[in-house]
Amino acid sequence: GDSVTQMEGPVTLSEEAFLTINCTYTATGYPSLFWYVQYPGEGLQLLLKATKADDKGSNKGFEATYRKETTSFHLEKGSVQVSDSAVYFCALSEGSGGSNYKLTFGKGTLLTVNP
Amino acid sequence: KAGVTQTPRYLIKTRGQQVTLSCSPISGHRSVSWYQQTPGQGLQFLFEYFSETQRNKGNFPGRFSGRQFSNSRSEMNVSTLELGDSALYLCASSPGSPDTQYFGPGTRLTVL
Repeated sequence: GDSVTQMEGPVTLSEEAFLTINCTYTATGYPSLFWYVQYPGEGLQLLLKATKADDKGSNKGFEATYRKETTSFHLEKGSVQVSDSAVYFCALSEGSGGSNYKLTFGKGTLLTVNP
Repeated sequence: KAGVTQTPRYLIKTRGQQVTLSCSPISGHRSVSWYQQTPGQGLQFLFEYFSETQRNKGNFPGRFSGRQFSNSRSEMNVSTLELGDSALYLCASSPGSPDTQYFGPGTRLTVL
């Protein structure tokens, strides 16, 4: 079945450091890929998405490129802020017309950014 | 547009009881999905409803059930609660399928 593997945390960075969170996936077809972020005590917020190979999703300074050849969707940000401290989830969805349509998530990576 | 709302936000129940959680999707969204989040298992898919029909179900026991109403609002029910059912239950809605899912704040269920 489908699966998502993301780097184990926690990740601790200083403000303005470069961020990379690795994510690889296994899927039988051509999934859509997502990054969601969860702040303490809240639900998940969509950060960015990509629906086909070589697409780049971007939002709030975060970027991720859909790499079919390496089955990866790594999250990057050039300069993190304290307010970026949260748990980040990589996810995929597969299926069309409602068949087998669901999100499969990685375990999550806790990011802490210190001033 | 208002986001996905879930009620109640917090619940405390005892083993053997049953519980009903409610989810109101974003206006115009017809698909509602439910997920369970625990520290050990992470985020796991429970089920998805579209136009009042369950189209997909995750690997959970029959104690977990749900339904969707004609206005797209959804409820999930857990009967005969067990300690392991303690979790954050997240609801997500999307305009159709397949499409991006938008999540609510969740209902924190504690089973004592």
